[in-house]
Amino acid sequence: GAVVSQHPSWVICKSGTSVKIECRSLDFQATTMFWYRQFPKQSLMLMATSNEGSKATYEQGVEKDKFLINHASLTLSTLTVTSAHPEDSSFYICSARRAGGRTDEQYFGPGTRLTVT
Amino acid sequence: LAKTTQPISMDSYEGQEVNITCSHNNIATNDYITWYQQFPSQGPRFIIQGYKTKVTNEVASLFIPADRKSSTLSLPRVSLSDTAVYYCLVGEQAGTALIFGKGTTLSVSS
Repeated sequence: GAVVSQHPSWVICKSGTSVKIECRSLDFQATTMFWYRQFPKQSLMLMATSNEGSKATYEQGVEKDKFLINHASLTLSTLTVTSAHPEDSSFYICSARRAGGRTDEQYFGPGTRLTVT
Repeated sequence: LAKTTQPISMDSYEGQEVNITCSHNNIATNDYITWYQQFPSQGPRFIIQGYKTKVTNEVASLFIPADRKSSTLSLPRVSLSDTAVYYCLVGEQAGTALIFGKGTTLSVSS
């Protein structure tokens, strides 16, 4: 149980285009999902917290107009990287907190590798 | 969130026991301690979680002293496949996200 999937697992796009990444909790409901970004040989950096049915909360320094997050249902959150640039190339990871679970009871997706050319 | 401090890297050989210690001096009363493992280009994987004393599961043990200001992840008889980054996190009950520190890169050699 407690499986989180991400789609796509990897994507290559041209500079200036937009890319959507999906995060799904497959066997549980997630009231809260989190989006992280990880650059090579670095730790995960929290980008935003996504609550079902409400606006996402972005961490300082993360552009909300560039990284659009939608959490339309209890099992799906999407991250759209708009007008992507090469510096947005990174490994994007989502996690989901089970509804009613503790803050630290989170389950991570396998990640999405984004390469912007 | 409680800040954690771990060694940046550790080396070991197959078959040895590895102990990774994490300091979390500002841990709050309601905080749990959780350890994750991450392989390259994969999401973190839950290893073990505890609140106090000792917790053991099929892959690891977690030792937490009475003051809870530190914790030690113990991996018995490591193998090459245990080469990964290990993160120690301390979670709050307030609904905030997990904040990752730098983690410990464990390298296991034959």
